[in-house]
Amino acid sequence: GAVVSQHPSRVICKSGTSVKIECRSLDFQATTMFWYRQFPKQSLMLMATSNEGSKATYEQGVEKDKFLINHASLTLSTLTVTSAHPEDSSFYICSARGQEGYGYTFGSGTRLTVV
Amino acid sequence: TQLLEQSPQFLSIQEGENLTVYCNSSSVFSSLQWYRQEPGEGPVLLVTVVTGGEVKKLKRLTFQFGDARKDSSLHITAAQPGDTGLYLCAGAKGAQKLVFGQGTRLTINP
Repeated sequence: GAVVSQHPSRVICKSGTSVKIECRSLDFQATTMFWYRQFPKQSLMLMATSNEGSKATYEQGVEKDKFLINHASLTLSTLTVTSAHPEDSSFYICSARGQEGYGYTFGSGTRLTVV
Repeated sequence: TQLLEQSPQFLSIQEGENLTVYCNSSSVFSSLQWYRQEPGEGPVLLVTVVTGGEVKKLKRLTFQFGDARKDSSLHITAAQPGDTGLYLCAGAKGAQKLVFGQGTRLTINP
C-alpha cells in the first residue's frame, strides 16, 4: 500500500530558529500534498495544499511567510517553520495524494516543541 | 464555521455497549472518509464511502454515507477497550483537499 514517511518525528528547537519537516511518498508519486496542524485533543486543521512544481495554497489565517512549503518533486514536500516561537509548538502532519484514485495517505506526524 | 460537524466530541461507555458517531454537513462531498488516530501518530484510514446510501462494514464497525452525500455515521457494536481512540471523519470534494470534523474521543471502559 501507499506509504508516506515524515521526518523528523520529534524536534525541539530554540525560539527564533527555523525548523524543516520533510514528507516523502515512498512508493507512489504524490501530485498533491497537504499539511495539517493539530493541537492537543483537537482535530486536524488544514494549513496548506501544495502541488508539485507550483506554489502552495494556504488556508485563511495561515501565514505563508512563516510556514514555507516546497513541493519540488513528486515524492517530496517540505514545511519550514521560520523564526519559530513557543506558540508554534504543535503536531504537524502531512498527507499525500497520488495521481490515481482518491486515496489520501498520512505521515506519522512531527511533534514540534519550541523552547 | 466548521464544514463538518462531528458528534459527540467525547464519549465514554462501558465495554460491550453500542455507540454511534455522527458526521454532518450542509455540503455535498464526493467521498467521505473515517480515520482513527492514536496519540502521537498520524490518522489511519478505516473506510472510504463514495456512493450515497452506501453501507460498509469492518468487523464490528458499520459505516453509512447519507443518501445526499452530506452526512455519515459510524456505529460500533459491542465496543471493546481496544476501540478507544480518536475517530475522525473527513470529507473530500472531487480531487480537492480533505477537511476534517472535530473528532470524537472515544473511551471504552473495561
